[in-house]
Amino acid sequence: DTEVTQTPKHLVMGMTNKKSLKCEQHMGHRAMYWYKQKAKKPPELMFVYSYEKLSINESVPSRFSPECPNSSLLNLHLHALQPEDSALYLCASSQVNLNYGYTFGSGTRLTVV
Amino acid sequence: DQQVKQNSPSLSVQEGRISILNCDYTNSMFDYFLWYKKYPAEGPTFLISISSIKDKNEDGRFTVFLNKSAKHLSLHIVPSQPGDSAVYFCAGNSGNTPLVFGKGTRLSVIA
Repeated sequence: DTEVTQTPKHLVMGMTNKKSLKCEQHMGHRAMYWYKQKAKKPPELMFVYSYEKLSINESVPSRFSPECPNSSLLNLHLHALQPEDSALYLCASSQVNLNYGYTFGSGTRLTVV
Repeated sequence: DQQVKQNSPSLSVQEGRISILNCDYTNSMFDYFLWYKKYPAEGPTFLISISSIKDKNEDGRFTVFLNKSAKHLSLHIVPSQPGDSAVYFCAGNSGNTPLVFGKGTRLSVIA
C-alpha cells in the first residue's frame, strides 16, 4: 500500500460546526504532516507529527486541532472556522529521513460558509 | 520571506519539445530539493529529487539540474507530452526539516 488516504474529499461546514478531517497511511511512515493550500499559493505547513508526537506547530490558530491516535492515522479537528479557512487541506507522510520525499493524499477541499 | 521561488506562474510548450521549469531558493542551508507534480483534485506526487552534493539527476524524460552557487534549480522534461500538463512544485529542505514549497508553475503541453 503506497497511498495516503484522506476523507472526506469535500466538506462544507458552517462557522459554528465541528468537523474532522481524517488521514490514513499504511506505509510504515513515522512522520505525518498537515498542509493547507489556497489557490495559486504553495502548500503551507501547519503541523508535523514525528513518532506520533507533535513536533511542529506553525503558529496555527487553536480552531485547528491535530491528533495522531496511532502511527497510521492523523486527524485534524475543526471548530469555529472562518470563511478564510476555506482551502485544500493536504495530509502527507514520510519516513523520518526525508530523502524519499513525502507521499501526499488527494486532499480535502474545505468550504466554510 | 519566500525561501523557494518559482517566478513563472505558467508555461506553454509544444508536444515533443523541451519544457524547462525554473526554481530559485534563498536558504543556503537547503541541501535537498524535490519536484512534485499536481493534477487538479489530486494531491502532489513526487517526481524527482536532487541532493546538494550532485548537480544533475536524471530519471527517464525528467532531469533536474542544480546550480548551488546561483541557488537555482531547473526541471527539464523532454520530450514533453500532453499528460505532463499539471502544476509543478519545487521544494527544498535542510536536514530533516519539513519541505518548503514554491508557488508552483502550471505547465500546459499543447498537442
